[in-house]
Order: sequence, then structure tokens, then C-alpha cells
Amino acid sequence: SQTIHQWPATLVQPVGSPLSLECTVEGTSNPNLYWYRQAAGRGLQLLFYSVGIGQISSEVPQNLSASRPQDRQFILSSKKLLLSDSGFYLCAWSVWGGSNTEAFFGQGTRLTVV
Amino acid sequence: GNSVTQMEGPVTLSEEAFLTINCTYTATGYPSLFWYVQYPGEGLQLLLKATKADDKGSNKGFEATYRKETTSFHLEKGSVQVSDSAVYFCALSTDNYGQNFVFGPGTRLSVLP
Repeated sequence: SQTIHQWPATLVQPVGSPLSLECTVEGTSNPNLYWYRQAAGRGLQLLFYSVGIGQISSEVPQNLSASRPQDRQFILSSKKLLLSDSGFYLCAWSVWGGSNTEAFFGQGTRLTVV
Repeated sequence: GNSVTQMEGPVTLSEEAFLTINCTYTATGYPSLFWYVQYPGEGLQLLLKATKADDKGSNKGFEATYRKETTSFHLEKGSVQVSDSAVYFCALSTDNYGQNFVFGPGTRLSVLP
């Protein structure tokens, strides 16, 4: 069966420090991969999605970047965190090209920038 | 572009009350429709889905019917429980290359004993 791992679960980082959040998927090949951010009391904002290794699409201009070095690995990074980067970050995957299959989410990372 | 609109709440109900959370969508083509639930501090879990017009998705007492004529997918439950307190997201998926999920803003439900 497929599983998705996302870590760390919580993170407190000072302003200006770097960030690296990792997400890995097991049990499937060539998934679509997504990074979402959920600000406090708000909905989901799609940050990045990837349809294959090295292929990253960004939805909004921001202080963050994403990389997909392996088929089932998706990394969210920042060189210098801002206070506004605080939020709940969710990784997700779905079957490529399937409109009737759902997205599967990780447990999320609570990031607090202080 | 594709979009999902849902009542943002918060919605506060007493236990055993009837629940409706409205969701409408705009999409090109024929999307699949989903309801996800998020419990405090956790990721999203699929609650139910419908892939074509007039389909009814159901799970854990929740139901939603895909209404193409009104572009809606309202979530209903006849008798809510305290354990249903969570944030509910309506979403659609289209068979486009890459990004194919669009989520509504979420509706926070609080059920009081």
C-alpha cells in the first residue's frame, strides 16, 4: 500500500535561518507531488507541484523553493525564512493523470518562525 | 480557471443536529468532486468523493451528491456528533497535466455536547 511521510512534524526557526522540509512517498511510481501551505484559520494554498523528477511548477511568488531529486521525494526549502512563512505545510501526492483519484496527504509540518 | 466556493463558517451545532455545508464549483470539463476532513493538528483525509454527475458519495454518515446542473456538491449529515468537529474542505480535480486539485477555503465545524 502507498504511504506518505513528511517530517519534521513541528519546527521553530528564527527569522533569516534556512529551511528544509522533506516528503517521501512509498508504494507508487511517478506520482504527482504537491506542497500546500495552510495559514492559521485559512484554507489551503498550493505552493508547488511536480509531475516528475526535476520538474517543478510554482503557483505563487514567494520566499520558498521546491526540488524533486528523486521520483518519490519532494523537498521544500528556503534560504532565509520570514515571519510570514509561518504556517502548516502539507505534502500530498496523487496518481498522474487520474482525475477520479484523490490526493493523499501527509500529516503536515507546523512551522513557526520567530 | 477552476475554483471552489464553500461557506467558511465557523458552523456551530448541537449534537444530533442536521448538518449542511454548501459547496459550488466552477470548472472546465467534467471534474471529480471531493470532501476532505482535517482534524486538529493533522493532515487532510478523504471523506467522500463523486466522479460523475448524479453520483452520491457517502462515508461515516456523511453524504454529498454531484449536481452538474447547479454545479454543487453540498455535504450533509443527519445527526452530527462531537467527534465530527473538524475543518471540512470541498475540492475538485480535473484531468489536466500536473496541478489538478483545487480546494475551497474550508469550513470549521464545532459540535457541542
